[in-house]
Amino acid sequence: KQEVTQIPAALSVPEGENLVLNCSFTDSAIYNLQWFRQDPGKGLTSLLLIQSSQREQTSGRLNASLDKSSGRSTLYIAASQPGDSATYLCAGWFSNDYKLSFGAGTTVTVRA
Amino acid sequence: GAVVSQHPSRVICKSGTSVKIECRSLDFQATTMFWYRQFPKKSLMLMATSNEGSKATYEQGVEKDKFLINHASLTLSTLTVTSAHPEDSSFYICSARTGTGGSQPQHFGDGTRLSIL
Repeated sequence: KQEVTQIPAALSVPEGENLVLNCSFTDSAIYNLQWFRQDPGKGLTSLLLIQSSQREQTSGRLNASLDKSSGRSTLYIAASQPGDSATYLCAGWFSNDYKLSFGAGTTVTVRA
Repeated sequence: GAVVSQHPSRVICKSGTSVKIECRSLDFQATTMFWYRQFPKKSLMLMATSNEGSKATYEQGVEKDKFLINHASLTLSTLTVTSAHPEDSSFYICSARTGTGGSQPQHFGDGTRLSIL
């Protein structure tokens, strides 16, 4: 069974600070890893998808890296804003499974 | 692009009622659709996976007769909660993707908040 872990469970930072969100997984045979954002009472918004052949993906202020050998992915959010407050979930698709395995998420609060 | 529409967004009904939730991919063909359940402050729990025209594959512990899934076309899947009871109250989210390999992203709907009185 795949295990995807996100630590910490919650994070609070002042506006303008860079955010670093961590995701670790136990199986290096990963097809891809996806980062999502979830606002309270809402569904998931896909932020970035990193294929196993890639080391990072960037979109605006967001940058996600993938290190298969160490079983880690990191989501960086530059110059955080109060609107970035949400729960961020990472999920991996592994070669011997047929479904996304989700982490429990990191709830981020950006203080104005 | 890649929009998944889920309807309704909220349902409140009496115990014993059957409730149908629709999930549509608006601008792409969804070869595979997924149904998740999410408890408060918890991550998503996969309930079942469906491929267009095939029977759904249910995860262990999910009652097939309670949660009926139909994936009749490449753009529509439905989840029917039959004879719903208060313990079925939850947040249900659908997801869709093209292809069956691991290279395609999954796109999610906005979820349905189901409350059974």
